Amino acid sequence: EAGVTQSPTHLIKTRGQQATLRCSPISGHTSVYWYQQALGLGLQFLLWYDEGEERNRGIFPPRFSGRQFPNYSSELNVNALELEDSALYLCASSNAQRPQHFGDGTRLSIL
Amino acid sequence: EDQVTQSPEALRLQEGESSSLNCSYTVSGLRGLFWYRQDPGKGPEFLFTLYSAGEEKEKERLKATLTKKESFLHITAPKPEDSATYLCAVDTSGTYKYIFGTGTRLKVLA
Repeated sequence: EAGVTQSPTHLIKTRGQQATLRCSPISGHTSVYWYQQALGLGLQFLLWYDEGEERNRGIFPPRFSGRQFPNYSSELNVNALELEDSALYLCASSNAQRPQHFGDGTRLSIL
Repeated sequence: EDQVTQSPEALRLQEGESSSLNCSYTVSGLRGLFWYRQDPGKGPEFLFTLYSAGEEKEKERLKATLTKKESFLHITAPKPEDSATYLCAVDTSGTYKYIFGTGTRLKVLA
């Protein structure tokens, strides 16, 4: 079975620009989660989507947003990029049975 | 406040030298505790789920145990390919978001 896929693998932006990251969950999974993993820090929860709705949100500013499509894939949008947004962004998916399974992430670099 | 703490931060072992990694947690209600392995440049790979105190899970050279306050990941006779960062996460009641520890970086020397 195909795992969680994320694109692009790497993304380079400059301050003030917008970034869009994409995630396709494992087939049959309806929940998608986004995490930020900054260098030297643990994974920080960003957002949880289930059945197209935002269900929970971590302590991040509103310029971090996203959506989930009818096919359960998801986008994470980051507006007005700042240097400290440089990190590995990980997407995970699960169904009601848990656990969360992760993709290999998008490395976002802000210049 | 819900919190997960892993120790040690880093661990170097000789091949065959068994050891244990610790994950202690303070949460309002535990729905599950999860162990992941993360290789450089990759996403976390799921290893185990533990739901209640006294539960144990095994996979090859790894064994995970759970008490009411902490979990241990025991590594028996490790090999160099076991080198990775091991992450612990908890799923707390009603939130459906995982709280991760900062991980233990394991290096197994041949």
